[in-house]
Amino acid sequence: TQLLEQSPQFLSIQEGENLTVYCNSSSVFSSLQWYRQEPGEGPVLLVTVVTGGEVKKLKRLTFQFGDARKDSSLHITAAQPGDTGLYLCAGAGGYSTLTFGKGTMLLVSP
Amino acid sequence: DAGVIQSPRHEVTEMGQEVTLRCKPISGHDYLFWYRQTMMRGLELLIYFNNNVPIDDSGMPEDRFSAKMPNASFSTLKIQPSEPRDSAVYFCASSASGAGTYTDTQYFGPGTRLTVL
Repeated sequence: TQLLEQSPQFLSIQEGENLTVYCNSSSVFSSLQWYRQEPGEGPVLLVTVVTGGEVKKLKRLTFQFGDARKDSSLHITAAQPGDTGLYLCAGAGGYSTLTFGKGTMLLVSP
Repeated sequence: DAGVIQSPRHEVTEMGQEVTLRCKPISGHDYLFWYRQTMMRGLELLIYFNNNVPIDDSGMPEDRFSAKMPNASFSTLKIQPSEPRDSAVYFCASSASGAGTYTDTQYFGPGTRLTVL
């Protein structure tokens, strides 16, 4: 069974601060995705990383895939209240399906 | 274009009752997934279909759960009889192709919040 551990589980910060959340596994994934979920809604895909060592930027969000394709990180610069939500990582290792971590709940206060 | 549609959005029922959750995937998507989300266990895959055929139901908790996809535009997840431990948010998602080694996107519906008293 492939497991993804996310840390921290909960993060509360002030607007303008920087933060990093982590997604770790002992398994190798062919690709890894990050989703954001807002209250009362389903997860929405933010990015997919495929190559070991890959770095992708989405405005103030920077995503990195580990060299060994077992871990990933999400860094947010100058967080804003609109960044509040549950951030989920999901790994693709088996055909057609994703394994999700439990998520990091981020609260950004004005 | 309409996204994934789920109904009902909220369901409150009593233990022992039958519950049916419904999903309409995005038109043209060949894959449909049913997930369950709880605080303790996170987002868990229950079952998925490819071209209306169930491919992997190893995530279905027990025989009380069943899922069908009679056509490309409709799927149901049924719990009979329901128990309090089934209380969770149930999501349906669809994609154009399987996750596998491909960079595919799963589109999630808004979920059904189920409470079993």
